[in-house]
Amino acid sequence: AQSVTQLDSQVPVFEEAPVELRCNYSSSVSVYLFWYVQYPNQGLQLLLKYLSGSTLVKGINGFEAEFNKSQTSFHLRKPSVHISDTAEYFCAVTPFGAGGGNKLTFGTGTQLKVEL
Amino acid sequence: EAQVTQNPRYLITVTGKKLTVTCSQNMNHEYMSWYRQDPGLGLRQIYYSMNVEVTDKGDVPEGYKVSRKEKRNFPLILESPSPNQTSLYFCASSTGSSSYNEQFFGPGTRLTVL
Repeated sequence: AQSVTQLDSQVPVFEEAPVELRCNYSSSVSVYLFWYVQYPNQGLQLLLKYLSGSTLVKGINGFEAEFNKSQTSFHLRKPSVHISDTAEYFCAVTPFGAGGGNKLTFGTGTQLKVEL
Repeated sequence: EAQVTQNPRYLITVTGKKLTVTCSQNMNHEYMSWYRQDPGLGLRQIYYSMNVEVTDKGDVPEGYKVSRKEKRNFPLILESPSPNQTSLYFCASSTGSSSYNEQFFGPGTRLTVL
């Protein structure tokens, strides 16, 4: 079984400041890692994913995340946020391989609030 | 436009009155899934389907039913809704059975059971 911990339920930040949203996971098998974003009153949209290879992954809207296997972390970063980045961000994992229902195990989400 | 659609988007009902939330995708995806989102709990999988006529339980299946008679549709059925099923529901789909494939989410259905 897998579990995902997002320690920060809310992160307030001023516009143009950098931000880091933390994600740690636990799994007895290898996993793929994802970050999804949910804008107000919308469904989830994929920001980026780590499958293999380089541990630094770049996604849409200037976001990036770094996979750290030893610390079982996948923190999301953006060097300069914009008001339009205000949204809820979810970290998720799914185990390698077919089967298992492709189930995504989600964290509880981090609400990013960008202020002027 | 490639998308996952859900209907209705908002629904208020009473305990025990059967309801169906529809989900349809136009991307010819084999895999479809239902999640519920609750504050402080994130999203939890209810049921999933790997292909037509193949469905299985997720983490929180109690009180729900699904069917997959056609590839594009995956309705969620609440035979006798209860207040603890008040939640935000998302349908998702992806191509193939590989877990690295991106899942595409619908816009959500906010259900209130009185």
